[in-house]
Amino acid sequence: GAGVSQSPSNKVTEKGKDVELRCDPISGHTALYWYRQRLGQGLEFLIYFQGNSAPDKSGLPSDRFSAERTGESVSTLTIQRTQQEDSAVYLCASSPGTGGLDTQYFGPGTRLTVL
Amino acid sequence: GNSVTQMEGPVTLSEEAFLTINCTYTATGYPSLFWYVQYPGEGLQLLLKATKADDKGSNKGFEATYRKETTSFHLEKGSVQVSDSAVYFCALSGTYKYIFGTGTRLKVLA
Repeated sequence: GAGVSQSPSNKVTEKGKDVELRCDPISGHTALYWYRQRLGQGLEFLIYFQGNSAPDKSGLPSDRFSAERTGESVSTLTIQRTQQEDSAVYLCASSPGTGGLDTQYFGPGTRLTVL
Repeated sequence: GNSVTQMEGPVTLSEEAFLTINCTYTATGYPSLFWYVQYPGEGLQLLLKATKADDKGSNKGFEATYRKETTSFHLEKGSVQVSDSAVYFCALSGTYKYIFGTGTRLKVLA
């Protein structure tokens, strides 16, 4: 079946512009996660959705970052007034449930470059 | 809080050499442990996992054993191939979110 998809695959924007990143999880997966991977670094957790609610937004770096999810489907991560330090690969993952035993399946990521 | 520490790379090996990538963790409770691999130009893929102490995860010739007494989950492979060149991430899962290590780049030379 189809895996997690993300769009766009690459996004180049100018400092100060807003960007929207999209994630389509695996059908039937109730949990969805956003992570950020800066060059040469590990993954930072940003936000987690269970259905369309977000019990944990603790990883969002600032109030310029927001995310929403429609039902148990598409999620959008929005970054307002982008800064150069926002340049990174943004990864989305989904899992069937949210227990520690559930494997997270990752999308290919969106590479964001802020000039 | 929970954390994962893995050896820094890059690791450069000749084909058919033995591979060990060290991973240690700090966690409350009993997390699941994972190794993910990121091949050049591709997304993260689950390589193997272990859900309780003394479990051994294995896949594609790679193995890792969940050692609670040493809080470790070292990745091993007996004979690496050029196609194993990638970045390897150790991760632990608490109640839901993953905590990742910083990744170890492996380069295998023919």
